[in-house]
Amino acid sequence: GQNIDQPTEMTATEGAIVQINCTYQTSGFNGLFWYQQHAGEAPTFLSYNVLDGLEEKGRFSSFLSRSKGYSYLLLKELQMKDSASYLCAVRHRGSNYQLIWGAGTKLIIKP
Amino acid sequence: EAQVTQNPRYLITVTGKKLTVTCSQNMNHEYMSWYRQDPGLGLRQIYYSMNVEVTDKGDVPEGYKVSRKEKRNFPLILESPSPNQTSLYFCASSLSRGFNSYNEQFFGPGTRLTVL
Repeated sequence: GQNIDQPTEMTATEGAIVQINCTYQTSGFNGLFWYQQHAGEAPTFLSYNVLDGLEEKGRFSSFLSRSKGYSYLLLKELQMKDSASYLCAVRHRGSNYQLIWGAGTKLIIKP
Repeated sequence: EAQVTQNPRYLITVTGKKLTVTCSQNMNHEYMSWYRQDPGLGLRQIYYSMNVEVTDKGDVPEGYKVSRKEKRNFPLILESPSPNQTSLYFCASSLSRGFNSYNEQFFGPGTRLTVL
């Protein structure tokens, strides 16, 4: 079956760096997405990885290792507005290329 | 403004009373999808649609119906709601199924449904 694991909650300090991990077990991997979701709001797209390596986009970077079934989202220079849930989702060929979503990691930023 | 809209945003209803949650997108997207989100669980897909008149079941379709008569609209129908359908519902759209591209999904603002 398909399975995605993320830590439930993390805490970090404003200005610091935090790494949110995501591990997955799936057949027919076809891409991994990270979305940000503020409390009570809709998810918004952050990043996409389909090949191994690091994708950098401003303060956010996402890494993928397909052989290990592992990804992380790296957030630098944390700001209070980064307090949100971060959702990892995997697209796989087995289910008509639909996304399987992790439960999300709630990130709490402290001053 | 490019967006996905949902209505209503909040709804409290009673068991068995049929309801429809509307979803509309103005981006000419082919692909649309409905999810429900419950505490401690990831987004779970209810139904999706690759294009007009093409719909498929997601992971949790029981108790729901959808239709895609026009490209922009994808309503979610609960014929006989039950308390276990109390949840936060999101509609999403993307340009295409996009299995060879990043093809991000754009989400509506969500509908918080309570079934008593």
